[in-house]
Amino acid sequence: SSELTQDPAVSVALGQTVRITCQGDGLRSYFATWYQQKPGQAPVLVIYGKNSRPSGIPDRFSASSSGSTASLTITGAQAEDEADYYCMSRDSSGDYWLFGGGTRLAVL
Amino acid sequence: QVQLQESGPGLVKPSETLSLTCTVSGGSVSSAGYYWSWIRQPPGKGLEYIGYIYYTGSTTYNPSLKSRVTISVDTSKNQFSLRLSSVTTADTAVYFCARVSYDLFTGYAFDIWGLGTMVTVSS
Repeated sequence: SSELTQDPAVSVALGQTVRITCQGDGLRSYFATWYQQKPGQAPVLVIYGKNSRPSGIPDRFSASSSGSTASLTITGAQAEDEADYYCMSRDSSGDYWLFGGGTRLAVL
Repeated sequence: QVQLQESGPGLVKPSETLSLTCTVSGGSVSSAGYYWSWIRQPPGKGLEYIGYIYYTGSTTYNPSLKSRVTISVDTSKNQFSLRLSSVTTADTAVYFCARVSYDLFTGYAFDIWGLGTMVTVSS
């Protein structure tokens, strides 16, 4: 398969926990990386590898994976977490990278 | 710290070739373990991977764009470039360049991005 599927939109109450998922056959073999993009800005890497965060990314961001589904969890969502989130990984053959369609997160 | 900056024409005519350059500062395109990539985002839509290059010149491209894309690197100028031929209005997008880091244990990550440059295809 050459697709990564994400829910288009998710909402979470301020301070609550939200999980954003990404499905694709390639996720059985390759890590997903996760990117946050706010309007008019470039994407920012928030999770890479099994569950690693770049310097400066709050520890409320974490990742997990099971089978063909990868998940990004935000524990205690803040207003500044409102953004589009994209997963990315390899296609199942490992030949090239794919982005998911993105999930728009609203913090209510 | 490493910074990337895209540059190039903001307007390209249909059927012509789009050409963009990404200038790397604070680091070297010749650094081992780093790849250099292009990604684009049509207005109001999601991200699309275009391709990447290693300083040796090795490239891989998105199969959907492969027939029209060329990515090259100029180590003397610390730059890498994108050429997309036979453009149509569907190629109108913000084009980002990004550094791809690789680690044996954590795999690949697009860890540093340029701010992006808007390219409009219109006559």
